[in-house]
Amino acid sequence: EVQLVQSGAVVKKPGESLKISCKASDTSRWIGWVRQMPGKGLEWMGMIYPGDSDTKYSPSFQGQVTISADKSISTAYLQWSSLKASDTATYYCARHLNPFSYSYGMDVWGQGTTVTVSS
Amino acid sequence: DIQMTQSPSSVSASVGDRVTITCRASQGISSYLAWYQQKPGKAPELLIYAASSLPRGVPSRFRGSGSGTDFTLTISSLQPEDSATYYCQQTNTFPHTFGQGTKLEIK
Repeated sequence: EVQLVQSGAVVKKPGESLKISCKASDTSRWIGWVRQMPGKGLEWMGMIYPGDSDTKYSPSFQGQVTISADKSISTAYLQWSSLKASDTATYYCARHLNPFSYSYGMDVWGQGTTVTVSS
Repeated sequence: DIQMTQSPSSVSASVGDRVTITCRASQGISSYLAWYQQKPGKAPELLIYAASSLPRGVPSRFRGSGSGTDFTLTISSLQPEDSATYYCQQTNTFPHTFGQGTKLEIK
């Protein structure tokens, strides 16, 4: 069964750095990252192709986070250098349906990583 | 960015009812539209891709239609387990924006 396994919930202070992970079963499909703030909707942050680390960002998140991948361990990452309270949210990774295109939605989702940023 | 506008924001219906949710894109996106279902505390699940295709395992009571700027998700005979929030997402142009969501409640 294909699955994405995300790292566990974290509590951080403002200004701290953080890197969360998403382990996939292979590197042959784009992996997207989606933010969901408490009680709010889904926001597309960006995506990466782990095979060659080609990355696309939403302008809303460009410069605020870094998306990366380690092909050797089939893992994608989402990273912050200096967290803010407004980064408090659940972050989902998700695998794109089609191995040849990122245009058909995301069919396998991780369980979500809850990030709480509070002083 | 392409804006995705869903309507209604919330809907309440009875078991067996037919429910339609619409999603409008601020510019044409061909058929590059996906629908997701999200239940409280859970990750979203893909319901429809390419505007009208069902992934394996999705019940046939879910149907998607539309192209260009106007899309619909129809649930033909509502079941208790369909209580959830539904999101559309365009995958035509970066960023791949989501609609604001439609909360479906079972009466």
